[in-house]
Amino acid sequence: RKEVEQDPGPFNVPEGATVAFNCTYSNSASQSFFWYRQDCRKEPKLLMSVYSSGNEDGRFTAQLNRASQYISLLIRDSKLSDSATYLCVVNGGGNTGTASKLTFGTGTRLQVTL
Amino acid sequence: ETGVTQTPRHLVMGMTNKKSLKCEQHLGHNAMYWYKQSAKKPLELMFVYNFKEQTENNSVPSRFSPECPNSSHLFLHLHTLQPEDSALYLCASSLSSITGNTIYFGEGSWLTVV
Repeated sequence: RKEVEQDPGPFNVPEGATVAFNCTYSNSASQSFFWYRQDCRKEPKLLMSVYSSGNEDGRFTAQLNRASQYISLLIRDSKLSDSATYLCVVNGGGNTGTASKLTFGTGTRLQVTL
Repeated sequence: ETGVTQTPRHLVMGMTNKKSLKCEQHLGHNAMYWYKQSAKKPLELMFVYNFKEQTENNSVPSRFSPECPNSSHLFLHLHTLQPEDSALYLCASSLSSITGNTIYFGEGSWLTVV
């Protein structure tokens, strides 16, 4: 089983649609979770952190389910500019004094069309 | 504008060449990273430096040699690479590599080995 697994897509949705991505992770000791966005031929950029209580930032909502070990990202009212690859990132954590380790999913590609 | 700058942005080198990638962060962070991103694969962590000390080497071949003279600068020295080493090399930084801090990427260096 991959450490972080995402559906690669692509998800093709019309403008204004609501789209949801899921991500599962295998390390139950994982401590922090993020969604990054990566535009074509660009670097990944932090979209939002994911908190246990769920969090929302404008049209974006992230949720964490520790029991089932999955993370979700919901995008409402999709815009053309949302077209990108969305990377699920999990911090496997570690003991004090050791380097934490971020594990990246392969990403889910979103294409928003007119 | 990114707080992590990488040069060169594009590099084409022969298998017998020696070249270096440079990274500089202006964020006051203490941890710096090298990642490799190949097509259709998740980001692969190569090296981690925390307060100039290498804390992680993910079984990277010796033809990749990192150097971290201070917390703001990171180099990746390249020697006798193989065509399969062609990829996007991303430098990143975070406040610390120990806690689950947000990681910030540079724009990347596109490397082609011919």
